[in-house]
Amino acid sequence: DTGVSQDPRHKITKRGQNVTFRCDPISEHNRLYWYRQTLGQGPEFLTYFQNEAQLEKSRLLSDRFSAERPKGSFSTLEIQRTEQGDSAMYLCASSLGGLAGEKKTQYFGPGTRLLVL
Amino acid sequence: EDKVVQSPLSLVVHEGDTVTLNCSYEVTNFRSLLWYKQEKKAPTFLFMLTSSGIEKKSGRLSSILDKKELFSILNITATQTGDSAVYLCAVGHYFGNEKLTFGTGTRLTIIP
Repeated sequence: DTGVSQDPRHKITKRGQNVTFRCDPISEHNRLYWYRQTLGQGPEFLTYFQNEAQLEKSRLLSDRFSAERPKGSFSTLEIQRTEQGDSAMYLCASSLGGLAGEKKTQYFGPGTRLLVL
Repeated sequence: EDKVVQSPLSLVVHEGDTVTLNCSYEVTNFRSLLWYKQEKKAPTFLFMLTSSGIEKKSGRLSSILDKKELFSILNITATQTGDSAVYLCAVGHYFGNEKLTFGTGTRLTIIP
């Protein structure tokens, strides 16, 4: 399978614990995005990488959230001191930047569903 | 603040019916409008629209963009139960990251 993959698919944690999610983008894609989706809503942009550089963070991304993409390939999203309001689906997407038209479409992974008790 | 509004929020039709889903937007630096289909997992890409008045088609699905009136429609003809899903509209922005701003989606249910 050459699509975007995410791990784990589901995570249940207790409030106050730290969690880390991983995203492996489509191999030739240089752009990687994290989104958060809550029930009944569309995905909301969290942050964006071009290669290994994190170029934008949404104001939704509080200090408890940190994302990395150390070698410009896979990315991790860590949430520290989780709160019940962090319960959501965390989606990763990747794309080929610098191209025109549909070649720069963002393709999404299956998501990690987080439940904070 | 950027806004993407979809209507209706939910729709229930019988198999074989034709449906039209609506998406209007007010965003800065508009570049493209995208439609995604989301079942119980990742959104899957359907269409990207950048020019007004040019219809895109894929099988029973078609979509068109009106950049003057700031809206798009997604049509599905001869609906099938496999079309049941949430249909998401998103706007891609110029300059830099080209992040997507999504609407809340339209939940489409097809009754056999």
